Amino acid sequence: GEDVEQSLFLSVREGDSSVINCTYTDSSSTYLYWYKQEPGAGLQLLTYIFSNMDMKQDQRLTVLLNKKDKHLSLRIADTQTGDSAIYFCAEIARVDSSYKLIFGSGTRLLVRP
Amino acid sequence: DAGVIQSPRHEVTEMGQEVTLRCKPISGHDYLFWYRQTMMRGLELLIYFNNNVPIDDSGMPEDRFSAKMPNASFSTLKIQPSEPRDSAVYFCASSLQTGIEQYFGPGTRLTVT
Repeated sequence: GEDVEQSLFLSVREGDSSVINCTYTDSSSTYLYWYKQEPGAGLQLLTYIFSNMDMKQDQRLTVLLNKKDKHLSLRIADTQTGDSAIYFCAEIARVDSSYKLIFGSGTRLLVRP
Repeated sequence: DAGVIQSPRHEVTEMGQEVTLRCKPISGHDYLFWYRQTMMRGLELLIYFNNNVPIDDSGMPEDRFSAKMPNASFSTLKIQPSEPRDSAVYFCASSLQTGIEQYFGPGTRLTVT
């Protein structure tokens, strides 16, 4: 079945780069996503990548996709304290006759001053 | 654009009571999703609608849960009777196409005592 896995925790120093990794299982996923959740808030769509791409850059964010290994990563350049949050990886998976967004368990990013 | 609006933001109720959560999707969005987030199970899709019609309710945990979308700008998720294990954060999300660019509301934190 479909499954998305992420490491639970990452701690970096302010100004360094952060790399959050994710593996997924549905090779037919057409889109893969990164969401950010700050304490007490909903999920904010950060970026997504179409499966025929291997990289997407958006300001400080770089998404890398390795379809062969079913590996997705999010790199945050010049990480700031405001980047501290939980980051969720998600894939679109076809389940029975419908498409669903399947989320990982989230990676808590802590940015130390 | 106001984004997805959910009410109430917090709900505390006693076991056995009926709970109704409300959602207003982003205007013009065709799809509406209800999710539940808990520490143990992460983010789970409960049900989603397309053009006000329920498409997939396989994630609804029990018959105590029901969801309606009487028009394009309003949906409810009802739990009757509520139980302590229903305590969670319930998110509503909407999108123009299935799963692509889902936008989440701020969530309703439900506590059942």
